[in-house]
Amino acid sequence: DTAVSQTPKYLVTQMGNDKSIKCEQNLGHDTMYWYKQDSKKFLKIMFSYNNKELIINETVPNRFSPKSPDKAHLNLHINSLELGDSAVYFCASSSRGGRYGYTFGSGTRLTVV
Amino acid sequence: DQQVKQNSPSLSVQEGRISILNCDYTNSMFDYFLWYKKYPAEGPTFLISISSIKDKNEDGRFTVFLNKSAKHLSLHIVPSQPGDSAVYFCAARVGGTSYGKLTFGQGTILTVHP
Repeated sequence: DTAVSQTPKYLVTQMGNDKSIKCEQNLGHDTMYWYKQDSKKFLKIMFSYNNKELIINETVPNRFSPKSPDKAHLNLHINSLELGDSAVYFCASSSRGGRYGYTFGSGTRLTVV
Repeated sequence: DQQVKQNSPSLSVQEGRISILNCDYTNSMFDYFLWYKKYPAEGPTFLISISSIKDKNEDGRFTVFLNKSAKHLSLHIVPSQPGDSAVYFCAARVGGTSYGKLTFGQGTILTVHP
């Protein structure tokens, strides 16, 4: 039974389109995250939600909007996709502020053409 | 500005030998450090961690060493096994109300040859 599941796994779309990536965790964690793995392979935080409340919002274009309907879900919506948005996006969750590590989803490879 | 760096993009080791993966950081406020392992097409999985009040933490074949004065940590795998072949990320966290935000290095690809 998958602990952190994100869909879709692969997403190929044209520039200018709007797309969403969904994430769900069944671990009872209170904090969820979106990370982006860029072309240089760094994992960089985008957003963090704690009990549905936005806690961390790094320097991310306004085209990216997270939505957390409940503490088990954190979706990522991207408007007007650009070529530079192509990357692997990872959802993760943690409890107790992440001291004991994150549990990651398997990633969504987004390709914008 | 990358606050966590893994300067070796790759490491190749013979099965049964020791693998040593290195990580350097610049932010002296980091108080907790973690290592993650990642296989292709999967998310990173938590491996081992260490608090800044310690200089060593051991879990089976995996040992993490922390040298705060040098702002350096390393992961030792002994003995290395082919199944250890993966990408290894180090990560660091600032204490307090950081809500668990982790800063990651760019990873080191470990290949263990039979």
